[in-house]
Amino acid sequence: DGGITQSPKYLFRKEGQNVTLSCEQNLNHDAMYWYRQDPGQGLRLIYYSQIVNDFQKGDIAEGYSVSREKKESFPLTVTSAQKNPTAFYLCATKSQGASQPQHFGDGTRLSIL
Amino acid sequence: AQSVTQLGSHVSVSEGALVLLRCNYSSSVPPYLFWYVQYPNQGLQLLLKYTTGATLVKGINGFEAEFKKSETSFHLTKPSAHMSDAAEYFCAVSDQRTVSGGSEKLVFGKGTKLTVNP
Repeated sequence: DGGITQSPKYLFRKEGQNVTLSCEQNLNHDAMYWYRQDPGQGLRLIYYSQIVNDFQKGDIAEGYSVSREKKESFPLTVTSAQKNPTAFYLCATKSQGASQPQHFGDGTRLSIL
Repeated sequence: AQSVTQLGSHVSVSEGALVLLRCNYSSSVPPYLFWYVQYPNQGLQLLLKYTTGATLVKGINGFEAEFKKSETSFHLTKPSAHMSDAAEYFCAVSDQRTVSGGSEKLVFGKGTKLTVNP
């Protein structure tokens, strides 16, 4: 079954702890994206990657890190430097071409303990 | 740079009434425009998109949108609202600042939450 899998669905972070959110896709899409969603603020881009072993900062990259070692995987690490990490995190993928839409996973909700 | 404005963060309609969700964009190049829907605690699902050609675009679940270049608008409509349409709706424009190997990012509006009253 083709799609985008985000895990876990819910995640809790302790003070000073790094946590990693998983995003895996089997759509064979080149581009992958991470967004943060807060109530009333829409979606804000954290990082994106057009190809393996390359990625770019989005609008709110501070306190986050990513890697793209495989085409299928684009994990996001929320570091302890991110002081307000509580949010809903969405991963998206896209095939080449500006007219192509982004496809979204079901999200991970991160909360602070 | 592209931007999107969704007028009205909350819209409430009665079941069976017309749904109209407003989206205005700014873009220095011909835009690619998208509408997405999000149900609680889920990801975004594509409703419809405009790329080129016919300016009236039909999507899933009975929704449609009309691209009006002169008004820089891409409003979403549905003739008759169902209870199942209650969700948050996002308008987005494709960032085409770099066409060759471009960034191909989407710029999203802040969303409109639709409530459908029985």
